Amino acid sequence: QVQLVQSGAEVKKPGASVKVSCKASGYTFTGYYMHWVRQAPGQGLEWMGRINPNSGGTNYAQKFQGRVTMTRDTSISTAYMELSRLRSDDTAVYYCARFSYSGYDYRGDYWGQGTLVTVSS
Amino acid sequence: SYELTQLPSVSVSPGQTARITCSGDVLGENYADWYQQKPGQAPELVIYEDSERYPGIPERFSGSTSGNTTTLTISRVLTEDEADYYCLSGDEDNRVFGGGTKLTVL
Repeated sequence: QVQLVQSGAEVKKPGASVKVSCKASGYTFTGYYMHWVRQAPGQGLEWMGRINPNSGGTNYAQKFQGRVTMTRDTSISTAYMELSRLRSDDTAVYYCARFSYSGYDYRGDYWGQGTLVTVSS
Repeated sequence: SYELTQLPSVSVSPGQTARITCSGDVLGENYADWYQQKPGQAPELVIYEDSERYPGIPERFSGSTSGNTTTLTISRVLTEDEADYYCLSGDEDNRVFGGGTKLTVL
């Protein structure tokens, strides 16, 4: 069965970086885009970007350009999201989500459990 | 950049029909998904490509789009349907979520 298992909670100081991992199993890792979505406490979902695990190609939301880097290691079927120059408003739960192609468009059919990143001095 | 607008909250009684809307120019050219999120859980896909029900989702859930507005309809609402609902749309390399609608089942 498809599973996305994310790394554990992190506490970081302002200005630092955080790298969240998302280990995929139960499917061909390189066959599906991986998206990253975050949710600040009590707030809505926010799309951050996506990576093509096959090519490594990425697309980032304009808001995160220059601060986010999405990578992958195909040998261990793991995607990574690194966010730099952290601020207090980056405190959020970060989700990875597999997007599969349905014939006309992509949809997020499997999600990781989420990783809480807390930014505090 | 894209923007999708949802009402913050909708309330219905059990057995009634709930309609949750999502509006934005991006919907005129792109499909929309709907995700359900319950407290402390990851989002779950409910509807994709405007109106396709994801496997395992009850037939009570349906989606439709007209112009720049997409609508999630939940018929015969159950207390277990109480959750936050988010629309998602955009093109291949740029997506945006709506602000979310909290469905309260009174």
